[in-house]
Amino acid sequence: DAGVTQSPTHLIKTRGQQVTLRCSPKSGHDTVSWYQQALGQGPQFIFQYYEEEERQRGNFPDRFSGHQFPNYSSELNVNALLLGDSALYLCASSLTGQGSGELFFGEGSRLTVL
Amino acid sequence: GENVEQHPSTLSVQEGDSAVIKCTYSDSASNYFPWYKQELGKRPQLIIDIRSNVGEKKDQRIAVTLNKTAKHFSLHITETQPEDSAVYFCAARGSTLGRLYFGRGTQLTVWP
Repeated sequence: DAGVTQSPTHLIKTRGQQVTLRCSPKSGHDTVSWYQQALGQGPQFIFQYYEEEERQRGNFPDRFSGHQFPNYSSELNVNALLLGDSALYLCASSLTGQGSGELFFGEGSRLTVL
Repeated sequence: GENVEQHPSTLSVQEGDSAVIKCTYSDSASNYFPWYKQELGKRPQLIIDIRSNVGEKKDQRIAVTLNKTAKHFSLHITETQPEDSAVYFCAARGSTLGRLYFGRGTQLTVWP
């Protein structure tokens, strides 16, 4: 049973560029959340997708956008990259309506903005 | 929104000793409190969680306690081993659908 998979694992961009990160949820999960983890910090919630719609959003500017596809996979897009966007981007999947809604995290995409 | 504070930020113990990490939260509506372990370069992995209708939960060498009145919860690791060395995060969530609010993490080092 594949867990949460993310791609790419590492990438380097320059300021002003745009980036797309991808996530495939754990088999059977229908909800995808994205978190940003800066070095030495706890993960910060960006947004959550369910039934192909953004259900909740954290305190991130609209340069951060996302999408969920019918197969529950998801993309995170960041436009006009800033140096401060350098971080580990974690995707987490869960199953809405079942028990705890435990989150399963992927290994993350490490973004470096130069 | 919720605010989760975690202490200490670093913790060093000798192998075999116990380790305790403490967190406080601000939103009395929060009802689910997971703990994650993150090894260097790896994903956060759930090690134990507790709900607001339970005061304590134990799983082998790991236990979590919750005091709803004081709005704090703690992770207890007994008989620590070098492989317990990692960053530990506490988190709080207000509803099944809701986001997790994480603490800033505790770097635990267990010396052999």
